[in-house]
Amino acid sequence: KNEVEQSPQNLTAQEGEFITINCSYSVGISALHWLQQHPGGGIVSLFMLSSGKKKHGRLIATINIQEKHSSLHITASHPRDSAVYICAVPMYSGGGADGLTFGKGTHLIIQP
Amino acid sequence: EPEVTQTPSHQVTQMGQEVILRCVPISNHLYFYWYRQILGQKVEFLVSFYNNEISEKSEIFDDQFSVERPDGSNFTLKIRSTKLEDSAMYFCASSRVRVGNQPQHFGDGTRLSIL
Repeated sequence: KNEVEQSPQNLTAQEGEFITINCSYSVGISALHWLQQHPGGGIVSLFMLSSGKKKHGRLIATINIQEKHSSLHITASHPRDSAVYICAVPMYSGGGADGLTFGKGTHLIIQP
Repeated sequence: EPEVTQTPSHQVTQMGQEVILRCVPISNHLYFYWYRQILGQKVEFLVSFYNNEISEKSEIFDDQFSVERPDGSNFTLKIRSTKLEDSAMYFCASSRVRVGNQPQHFGDGTRLSIL
């Protein structure tokens, strides 16, 4: 069964700073998910990636399959980026899993 | 954009009572999931559902839990005799195909409080 580790657990930064959140997992996967959890609790899917890099606005996600590691970057961070960012992977290797296993999340606060 | 909707947003129930949490997945999705998040902890998988049957369940999903899709649109999670430790946020999610290769779409969650 896959295990997910995220770092840092908490991150406070100033507006405009470049943010990096890291995720590592234990078992080979078909794709990795980055999710955002709002203060009210709702979860939004940001990225699903299986190789290389994806970009959406100021968010960039990268993955290194060989090293079982992914990073989420936020450029020109803004207070509205404040949220919990969660990495998740299929529970079992091979991509045949039905459910996701989640990291503990990174609680990001961007101060004005 | 289509959304997964969950009702109620907050449910308060006495210990030992039955509770039903409701979800309407995205209409052309085929895979449905329930997750829970105890306050301050990570999100945990409970169960997945495909083709009108459970396809996978975690060790958390014991005999007090059940799921069904009664009418082709709703997807429900029933907890038969609630315990204090069932207090959590419960998320429903759906995907068009198996989650390994497709994004999951989450509802906003139901906060369940057991008194």
